[in-house]
Amino acid sequence: QKEVEQDPGPLSVPEGAIVSLNCTYSNSAFQYFMWYRQYSRKGPELLMYTYSSGNKEDGRFTAQVDKSSKYISLFIRDSQPSDSATYLCAMSAVGANSKLTFGKGITLSVRP
Amino acid sequence: DSGVTQTPKHLITATGQRVTLRCSPRSGDLSVYWYQQSLDQGLQFLIQYYNGEERAKGNILERFSAQQFPDLHSELNLSSLELGDSALYFCASSFRDTNYGYTFGSGTRLTVV
Repeated sequence: QKEVEQDPGPLSVPEGAIVSLNCTYSNSAFQYFMWYRQYSRKGPELLMYTYSSGNKEDGRFTAQVDKSSKYISLFIRDSQPSDSATYLCAMSAVGANSKLTFGKGITLSVRP
Repeated sequence: DSGVTQTPKHLITATGQRVTLRCSPRSGDLSVYWYQQSLDQGLQFLIQYYNGEERAKGNILERFSAQQFPDLHSELNLSSLELGDSALYFCASSFRDTNYGYTFGSGTRLTVV
């Protein structure tokens, strides 16, 4: 079993839809949870970051972490064609040498 | 522009060859991380350097090596290349050892033929 599992997609939605992206993980040591967005031919860029459990909102984006279920989600409200990209979840444990472990990513397409 | 510079952007080479990928971190960042991204494996952590010293090692093959120089730029050396080494190689940087908030470069696309 991989440490981080992400819905494989791809996902296609109409403009204005609410998008829900999810990851599950197996390592209970993970405390830092991130979502990265990667446009074609670009490197991943940090979108949202959450420490431990809870919700975090930033504009149209909401990140949720449920550590009891080992489940994290990213919600995108009022999705726009410019949101079309690959979304990767990433996690790490506490510790200075703790690397980021990424999900494989899901490609989202928002249709105008 | 993220501030992390990777060169070259594209590289095509033959099996058995050796290549060097270069990364200049964002100004002021001391940590450099190397990741490999392939379609079937996703983003895999290779190695981390902090202020010139190796800090963490991931799934890095023995044929691969890296170093971070006094000016903080880093090089990833890939030798005895195989077809399966074809992938995107990303460098990321951060100010210090951190659990989040890496800034990634645009990557080097390596094709081994």
